[in-house]
This record gives sequence, C-alpha cells and structure tokens, in this order.
Amino acid sequence: GQSLEQPSEVTAVEGAIVQINCTYQTSGFYGLSWYQQHDGGAPTFLSYNALDGLEETGRFSSFLSRSDSYGYLLLQELQMKDSASYFCAVSPGYSTLTFGKGTMLLVSP
Amino acid sequence: NAGVTQTPKFQVLKTGQSMTLQCAQDMNHEYMSWYRQDPGMGLRLIHYSVGAGITDQGEVPNGYNVSRSTTEDFPLRLLSAAPSQTSVYFCASSSRDRSSYEQYFGPGTRLTVT
Repeated sequence: GQSLEQPSEVTAVEGAIVQINCTYQTSGFYGLSWYQQHDGGAPTFLSYNALDGLEETGRFSSFLSRSDSYGYLLLQELQMKDSASYFCAVSPGYSTLTFGKGTMLLVSP
Repeated sequence: NAGVTQTPKFQVLKTGQSMTLQCAQDMNHEYMSWYRQDPGMGLRLIHYSVGAGITDQGEVPNGYNVSRSTTEDFPLRLLSAAPSQTSVYFCASSSRDRSSYEQYFGPGTRLTVT
C-alpha cells in the first residue's frame, strides 16, 4: 500500500519562504506530485518530480530524494493568495494517484 | 474548452436513495477517476478508468458503481446512499502520458446524506 505524511498546518507571513515536507511509503513509485486547493475549490496541479533533485516553476520549487522517500514544496515570496491546502501525491502505477492528507498554509500580512 | 464538468454542484439525499453524479471532459483524455474528500482525509480514490469500457476499483469502492461507455463521460452511481457517503466528490481526467502525475479536476459535487 501507500502512505504519505505531511504537516497538517503551516503558517508564514507575506514575502517569506515556506517549505512543506512530504515523506512517503509506497510499493511502486513513478514520482511525487504537488497540488494546490483553495477553500471550496478543485485541486490544481503544481509540480512533479520523477527524478531526484529540484524542479523550479516560478515562485514554486519542488524537491525529491528517492533514497530518503522524501520531498518538499518550497514557496518563495509568499502572497496572501497562496493561502490554501497543499497535497503531495505519489503514483504507484501509471494511472492512479495516492494523495497525502494535505497541509493548510496560512499566510498573514 | 470547458475542461472537466460535474453535475450537480450540491445534492441532498435521504438514506437509501440512489443517484448518479455526472462527470464529463472535453480534452479527449483517456484516463478518468473519481475521488471523495472528507475533512482531514485528503483525496481518496473510489474508481478509475483507463479508457472506454475499462474500469477498476480504487481505495474506497464500496457502495459505488461506475461505467465508461464513451471517452467523454464517467458517471458515478450511489446504489443506496448512507450517511457515511456524505462528502465532496471530485472527478478528474488525465492524458495517458501524464496520468502518473497531472490530473485535471472538476469543481466537485457536495453531497449530504441524511
């Protein structure tokens, strides 16, 4: 089976940098994805790591270490609109995703 | 493109009633999935399909049926609603080459079973 652990809540101030960690246990592994979900909205895809290392997409970066079964999402220059829930997800096969329980990010002025 | 659409947006059912949640996508995606989201539980996979005529069970399939007669549509049927099925239901689709990481989600159906 699959399990993912991420903090339930993280707080930060506008302009700061925040890191959301994710550790996973999975029987099969194609990569680690990150999704953002604003309150009441649909999850939207942010980033994906198939290989070890850092992937950068604008203010967001994602990191993966396969040997440590660990990854993180890094958000820079935080804005109020970044307040949302963030989910890490692993793919045990080529057609499904297993999601973590999510981290609620609260950005204050 | 409308992307992934779901109807209805809200629904209240009584215990024992049946209903179908509709999902459609216009991106010609091969893969479609249904998830439920409960507070503090993340998204859990109910059923998924890798193409028309092919469906499979996810993590929490009991009490739900699916079929996929066309590429565009993937309805989810609740056979006999129970209060434990009160949840937000999301449909998602993905292309075959990105199916292991990038899924497009619909706006969700908020279901309450009394």
